[in-house]
Amino acid sequence: DAKTTQPTSMDCAEGRAANLPCNHSTISGNEYVYWYRQIHSQGPQYIIHGLKNNETNEMASLIITEDRKSSTLILPHATLRDTAVYYCIVRAFASGGSYIPTFGRGTSLIVHP
Amino acid sequence: DAGVIQSPRHEVTEMGQEVTLRCKPISGHNSLFWYRQTMMRGLELLIYFNNNVPIDDSGMPEDRFSAKMPNASFSTLKIQPSEPRDSAVYFCASSTRDTYGYTFGSGTRLTVV
Repeated sequence: DAKTTQPTSMDCAEGRAANLPCNHSTISGNEYVYWYRQIHSQGPQYIIHGLKNNETNEMASLIITEDRKSSTLILPHATLRDTAVYYCIVRAFASGGSYIPTFGRGTSLIVHP
Repeated sequence: DAGVIQSPRHEVTEMGQEVTLRCKPISGHNSLFWYRQTMMRGLELLIYFNNNVPIDDSGMPEDRFSAKMPNASFSTLKIQPSEPRDSAVYFCASSTRDTYGYTFGSGTRLTVV
């Protein structure tokens, strides 16, 4: 699996966009980029994933660079409840169709009033 | 859907005692994973099952740890004998090959004194 690098911590004002970067320069062609977040005392929560194209869902947007060596998770209007640790994971699908996310340290995002 | 259900939420036990953690995956999910989270080591994958069969237990720290999945709706993680260094939050997660995200339970906070 490709290794990912994320900033240790970031902060953002409530109501503003939070842009969380992730470097994955060794990513290979069949590897997807996934994002999870973990709010204090809870289990990790899946946010979004993508391969090449930008993706958007009700939680966030994922922007993947053309060379796929980095990506950015965007929370368009951050709220205090978005304060959490955000994990960027790169993983190919196993032959059985499952993937096993390996979590690094992630980025601790603090949203302040 | 009640999500992934773990029990107990908190467990305090004395060193040397047997501890059993329980997990009920989401109905229809065919993969189940056990993770352990500590401040020092972050989130670590211990073992995962596909269709009730253990696939990879290389993350299990030592023989004191064992996991079973007797049927598609139940799994246990047992520690015998427990030691203070086993104190951590243990998460169970489930997924299906038809979905890309994992669903985590709320975790069991284990304290061994």
